[in-house]
Amino acid sequence: DQQVKQNSPSLSVQEGRISILNCDYTNSMFDYFLWYKKYPAEGPTFLISISSIKDKNEDGRFTVFLNKSAKHLSLHIVPSQPGDSAVYFCAASAQLRGWGKLQFGAGTQVVVTP
Amino acid sequence: DGGITQSPKYLFRKEGQNVTLSCEQNLNHDAMYWYRQDPGQGLRLIYYSQIVNDFQKGDIAEGYSVSREKKESFPLTVTSAQKNPTAFYLCASSLRGDRGRGETQYFGPGTRLLVL
Repeated sequence: DQQVKQNSPSLSVQEGRISILNCDYTNSMFDYFLWYKKYPAEGPTFLISISSIKDKNEDGRFTVFLNKSAKHLSLHIVPSQPGDSAVYFCAASAQLRGWGKLQFGAGTQVVVTP
Repeated sequence: DGGITQSPKYLFRKEGQNVTLSCEQNLNHDAMYWYRQDPGQGLRLIYYSQIVNDFQKGDIAEGYSVSREKKESFPLTVTSAQKNPTAFYLCASSLRGDRGRGETQYFGPGTRLLVL
């Protein structure tokens, strides 16, 4: 039962343009969401997180938006750079109702082209 | 330099053999985790530990075992009972697995396990 879904396995974007990655979840108890970036044969690197009490969190070129009613979050990368080419994982946990085990989506492969 | 280390980077297992993957952290984190990643899939939780001398099964614990004798170390043994062990194994840690805190997990570089 996949509780966190990333329905786009891949995304190609031009350098300098905006990358928008989407993530949907089914468990209404999730209250903390994270995005990780992963290069091949390396561990994921934490990018940005958002608590369910917020609808937006920004950190430099990265912004995460949360729409609780739609059970949807998105990651915006502006502007996209060649080093952003990687797999991006969305993750969610239910912090306030128990210990926060992370549930991961399947990932979206981003390719930034010149 | 604080971080999480995993060794070895590559590991080969023969049929019927148990192998142990190492994970060490010097971040003073209380909680540690083991995940498995298969091609085209997200990370799946194998085992986790919130405190020394205690650990819990994750979603896919069958065929694996762990120990947590020290705060810094959380080794994973892939036993011969794990019929499909070929995967990329990731260890992570977080400051504290407490209720009500926004927990960010930080990952090590991973170990790729291959079956001969």
